[in-house]
Amino acid sequence: DGGITQSPKYLFRKEGQNVTLSCEQNLNHDAMYWYRQDPGQGLRLIYYSQIVNDFQKGDIAEGYSVSREKKESFPLTVTSAQKNPTAFYLCASSTFDRAGGYTFGSGTRLTVV
Amino acid sequence: GQQLNQSPQSMFIQEGEDVSMNCTSSSIFNTWLWYKQDPGEGPVLLIALYKAGELTSNGRLTAQFGITRKDSFLNISASIPSDVGIYFCAGLSNYGQNFVFGPGTRLSVLP
Repeated sequence: DGGITQSPKYLFRKEGQNVTLSCEQNLNHDAMYWYRQDPGQGLRLIYYSQIVNDFQKGDIAEGYSVSREKKESFPLTVTSAQKNPTAFYLCASSTFDRAGGYTFGSGTRLTVV
Repeated sequence: GQQLNQSPQSMFIQEGEDVSMNCTSSSIFNTWLWYKQDPGEGPVLLIALYKAGELTSNGRLTAQFGITRKDSFLNISASIPSDVGIYFCAGLSNYGQNFVFGPGTRLSVLP
């Protein structure tokens, strides 16, 4: 079955450490996205990528970095520069023209202590 | 930038009741999507709308693409406990690169 997988589901890190969240899809989608969701809030776009080796900043890119070396994979690194990294992170993918909308992963809850 | 507003922000209903929620914008959109998010999970697509005036159903769910192209509506009939969650609308305009998401409507169903 095709889908989009995020791992791990829960992640704990100490303040000041970088951490990388994994996102893999086997839907043959060209575009991939990272969103941040805070309790009781909507989705805020961090980064997106429409093709391999290219990505664009979203609305809240500061303190985050991404790479898109393979079509199937779009890892997100939360760096120590991110002031308030504790949140629920969602990865999504879509066809290039976005017809059919986004398919989301099941999310990674990051807690920084 | 483009923004979507959803109302109500939250609602508590009795099991078996019908539910209505809407999504509005000052911008025109060409595609509207409705998603449901269960606690601790990613949003799941419920209904996609591509044409002004379009009315589409998915089981007990019915959504409409507003005639002005600035709004969309979602109705749930005969609610059940598993309808609990957050419902997000999302819109895509002609010149938008990505879907814009609303802040969500949180639905609670009381037995």
